[in-house]
Amino acid sequence: DAGVIQSPRHEVTEMGQEVTLRCKPISGHNSLFWYRQTMMRGLELLIYFNNNVPIDDSGMPEDRFSAKMPNASFSTLKIQPSEPRDSAVYFCASSLWTNLGEQYFGPGTRLTVT
Amino acid sequence: AQTVTQSQPEMSVQEAETVTLSCTYDTSESDYYLFWYKQPPSRQMILVIRQEAYKQQNATENRFSVNFQKAAKSFSLKISDSQLGDAAMYFCAYRSAKGANSKLTFGKGITLSVRP
Repeated sequence: DAGVIQSPRHEVTEMGQEVTLRCKPISGHNSLFWYRQTMMRGLELLIYFNNNVPIDDSGMPEDRFSAKMPNASFSTLKIQPSEPRDSAVYFCASSLWTNLGEQYFGPGTRLTVT
Repeated sequence: AQTVTQSQPEMSVQEAETVTLSCTYDTSESDYYLFWYKQPPSRQMILVIRQEAYKQQNATENRFSVNFQKAAKSFSLKISDSQLGDAAMYFCAYRSAKGANSKLTFGKGITLSVRP
């Protein structure tokens, strides 16, 4: 299995621009998670989906952030407009929600907003 | 709400020695799962070991083992024969076994350095 795939791996953009991060979960997994990691705040859960349905988006910081999962093999996290404080590493993870449900993480997208 | 606490921000160990990383958690549930994740400088999050709360036996994966104390709500990670490649940030995480809640609660992490 290829594991969780994220793109792009690095993104540099200017303040005010729209940013779209992409994720392909492990085939067969039915839960998908978006995290943000910064030095100051550590690892934060932004939103997660079960069977493509958003379950908990309480971690989404503002209305500028939105996430979609149109099908079981693809999800996006969009920031519009982006701000310098959005600079972070964004991880996508997937799991099976049954049994142990351990999460497998993608390599992350390092976002820099100037 | 569940919380996970890793009170030591940093630790250091001599190569080939043993080190224990601490983790405590707070929950009112009786059935749950616990995990340790490793994040090396490459920033890839790697699952190290997992423990089901209903199992009394401590989980072991090669040089990695846990000391799970359910009554004390403690879940420490022991790394034996430490290697340079073990240098990383380590996160403890909790997951409820109730229903379809698949959310993980992470601690703030501990940075482990390995001295050659």
